[in-house]
Amino acid sequence: AQSVTQLDSHVSVSEGTPVLLRCNYSSSYSPSLFWYVQHPNKGLQLLLKYTSAATLVKGINGFEAEFKKSETSFHLTKPSAHMSDAAEYFCVVSGGAGGTSYGKLTFGQGTILTVHP
Amino acid sequence: DAGVTQSPTHLIKTRGQQVTLRCSPKSGHDTVSWYQQALGQGPQFIFQYYEEEERQRGNFPDRFSGHQFPNYSSELNVNALLLGDSALYLCASSLHRGYTDTQYFGPGTRLTVL
Repeated sequence: AQSVTQLDSHVSVSEGTPVLLRCNYSSSYSPSLFWYVQHPNKGLQLLLKYTSAATLVKGINGFEAEFKKSETSFHLTKPSAHMSDAAEYFCVVSGGAGGTSYGKLTFGQGTILTVHP
Repeated sequence: DAGVTQSPTHLIKTRGQQVTLRCSPKSGHDTVSWYQQALGQGPQFIFQYYEEEERQRGNFPDRFSGHQFPNYSSELNVNALLLGDSALYLCASSLHRGYTDTQYFGPGTRLTVL
């Protein structure tokens, strides 16, 4: 079985300050991990993905995430928030080959990011 | 390059009715997955189709069924609609080449059941 816990339902930052969105995961097999963003009334857009290569993953729009196996964490960061970053962010795990969750994405509950001027 | 498209955008049905939602995958993709996103929740996996067969299924009742056509497009059918079926239904496509498949999502169909 696989699961994802996003530790904050809401995060509020000022424009120009760092962003940290926290995610812990559980998976029986070597997982793939993703962060997706959802703007209001829009579909889900892929920000970045981890697939057992480098543990520090760079994504679009200046976001990056670090895979820490010992902590089962995959936190999303950005050095400087922009107003356009305001959206809902989802941490997602996909089961590895050989597991019963292969091909199935399991989403966290989401973190709503608010950016103040 | 067209992305994932879904139709219709919005749909209103009454309890007990049946509904069909449609999805066209991103060009070059052969696998389609469907997700249900209730208000304020993360998407929940319904099922995945590859080579016109259901390959994976989440914890959804048999009222939810699907189909994949030879051109890789897909339909999601829901019978005997309940109020709780009101949600955003998302389709995602990917290329079936290993466990690192990245799924690309369409804009979704908003279903309201009255």
